[in-house]
Amino acid sequence: NAGVTQTPKFQVLKTGQSMTLQCAQDMNHNSMYWYRQDPGMGLRLIYYSASEGTTDKGEVPNGYNVSRLNKREFSLRLESAAPSQTSVYFCASSAVAGGRGTDTQYFGPGTRLTVL
Amino acid sequence: AQKVTQAQTEISVVEKEDVTLDCVYETRDTTYYLFWYKQPPSGELVFLIRRNSFDEQNEISGRYSWNFQKSTSSFNFTITASQVVDSAVYFCALSEAESNYQLIWGAGTKLIIKP
Repeated sequence: NAGVTQTPKFQVLKTGQSMTLQCAQDMNHNSMYWYRQDPGMGLRLIYYSASEGTTDKGEVPNGYNVSRLNKREFSLRLESAAPSQTSVYFCASSAVAGGRGTDTQYFGPGTRLTVL
Repeated sequence: AQKVTQAQTEISVVEKEDVTLDCVYETRDTTYYLFWYKQPPSGELVFLIRRNSFDEQNEISGRYSWNFQKSTSSFNFTITASQVVDSAVYFCALSEAESNYQLIWGAGTKLIIKP
């Protein structure tokens, strides 16, 4: 039982390049989330998916797109990377549908992204 | 105004000392949820506890305990007889109706346990 997995673990991009961060969970959870964590700050929600087939913006969605491919997988895409997107990205999932923070969220190991 | 305040940016103690990490929150909702997560140097986020606003009982789990006080809007976390492995950044988070139940995170407290 791997929980939440993320690929890649590390990535370096040049400004303007695109990439997709992958996330998968094997806990049969309904809701999934993407966060970013910047130094000295708590996590900020980028997008979430309250159930399979739905996605919604979080606090900081600009510059990102997401796809809930199926119940297990939720990807985050940077179409044209900018240095301001240098951060650690975490994927999370929770059991209850609705994307509500009332339910415990379980996190992946994170992706450390640097944009030069 | 910050909804979740962790005023202690960094705490350093010697192993075996007790240490308390403070978390003060702000909400107008009567139903809300509070969480603590641990982020060790390896970087992953580990869930520690979830508490709803109707349950003010203090919680103890081994060397960890949590003191929830609605009167002071605080949800403090105490580690008894600290160990080097407790070194991590600890985050407190709030989920409330006014914010559509999205998790609102504190900035975290970095805890350093010296041997």
